[in-house]
Amino acid sequence: AQSVTQLGSHVSVSEGALVLLRCNYSSSVPPYLFWYVQYPNQGLQLLLKYTTGATLVKGINGFEAEFKKSETSFHLTKPSAHMSDAAEYFCAVSSPGGSYIPTFGRGTSLIVHP
Amino acid sequence: DTAVSQTPKYLVTQMGNDKSIKCEQNLGHDTMYWYKQDSKKFLKIMFSYNNKELIINETVPNRFSPKSPDKAHLNLHINSLELGDSAVYFCASSQERGLDTEAFFGQGTRLTVV
Repeated sequence: AQSVTQLGSHVSVSEGALVLLRCNYSSSVPPYLFWYVQYPNQGLQLLLKYTTGATLVKGINGFEAEFKKSETSFHLTKPSAHMSDAAEYFCAVSSPGGSYIPTFGRGTSLIVHP
Repeated sequence: DTAVSQTPKYLVTQMGNDKSIKCEQNLGHDTMYWYKQDSKKFLKIMFSYNNKELIINETVPNRFSPKSPDKAHLNLHINSLELGDSAVYFCASSQERGLDTEAFFGQGTRLTVV
């Protein structure tokens, strides 16, 4: 079975500060990992994904995430937060042996202060 | 042109009514989904269709019935609406069934049952 845990339902940062959103996964086999972003009143859109290969993945809008197998983590970071980054962020995992449909975490709301 | 479009965007209805939500994708994708997002932003898969064939039907009440007239459309019909059905419903599509496949989401339909 696969599952995702996002630590912290809300993360608050100042504009220009580092953004760190945490995601830990559980999977008995090598997983595929995703970060999606949901802006207010909109659907989800893909930020980035890890499948195989390089463990540091770069996505849109300056976000990146690093797959760390030893820590079963896939944390999302951005060096400098912008007001427009305020949104809900979802980590998701899919893995062989289960449904091909990814399992989503419960989301982390990113709040950016001026 | 909207890639995945849902109608209506908002739906307010009384308990016991029957309602439908329509979804269309113009991406040429083979696979379509319905997700339910509750008030705490938790996103849960309801159905998945591949080439008009039902692939996944999670533990959803029989009152919910998806219909796919062609692979570009996946509509959701709900009978005898209950208060607990209030949520945001997202349609999504992906090019194929695959562990690393990105899903494209519609903007959601906010259903309120009163």
